[in-house]
Amino acid sequence: QVQLQESGPGLVKPSQTLSLTCTVSGGSISSGGYYWSWIRQHPGKGLEWIGYIYYSGSTYYNPSLKSRFTISVDTSKNQFSLKLNSVTAADTAVYYCASTGDEYYFDYWGQGTLITVSS
Amino acid sequence: EIVVTQSPATLSLSPGERATLSCRASQSVGSYLAWYQQKPGQAPRLLIYDASNRATGIPARFSGSGSGTDFTLTISSLEPEDFAVYYCQQRSNWLTFGGGTKVEIK
Repeated sequence: QVQLQESGPGLVKPSQTLSLTCTVSGGSISSGGYYWSWIRQHPGKGLEWIGYIYYSGSTYYNPSLKSRFTISVDTSKNQFSLKLNSVTAADTAVYYCASTGDEYYFDYWGQGTLITVSS
Repeated sequence: EIVVTQSPATLSLSPGERATLSCRASQSVGSYLAWYQQKPGQAPRLLIYDASNRATGIPARFSGSGSGTDFTLTISSLEPEDFAVYYCQQRSNWLTFGGGTKVEIK
């Protein structure tokens, strides 16, 4: 059973860069067959897919979002990461990491981490 | 971008009643649609994929139907643990979610 766990700072100041990491256990990112995603949920709102990465490093981002997001993978640590630069209060949200197979449905999720952007 | 719209926003029902949730896509997504359940403070859980296939471990009272632009999630008889928010997600053209339907206790 694959498990995902997000880690991050909790609080970020406006204009700074947010960095989040998702640690995968119970499966290897480098074994392939899965796409590793970031999704966010603004307070009291719906879900927004940010993008995903394959173990090879290939990335795909939601074309509706501005290009402030970068997703990377570290197969040696079985982790993947999200960076968001120039954060504003509008980036306050719960950030989830999740995985999809070839069907592109999210079958495994982390518990989510609340990121607050405030000075 | 394919816009996915869910209705109603809130559904007030009693345990044992039948719940019917709707999801409509702005253009055809074929059968490439999933449903998720989210309870407060938890991550979403995959219920249905490819419009009508139950995910592993999902009770038979959950069923999905539809194709093209119109989809339905039906909960045949609501259990206390089914009161939650439900989202649909299309994967035909990138990945987008609907705004959710909250199923609340009447």
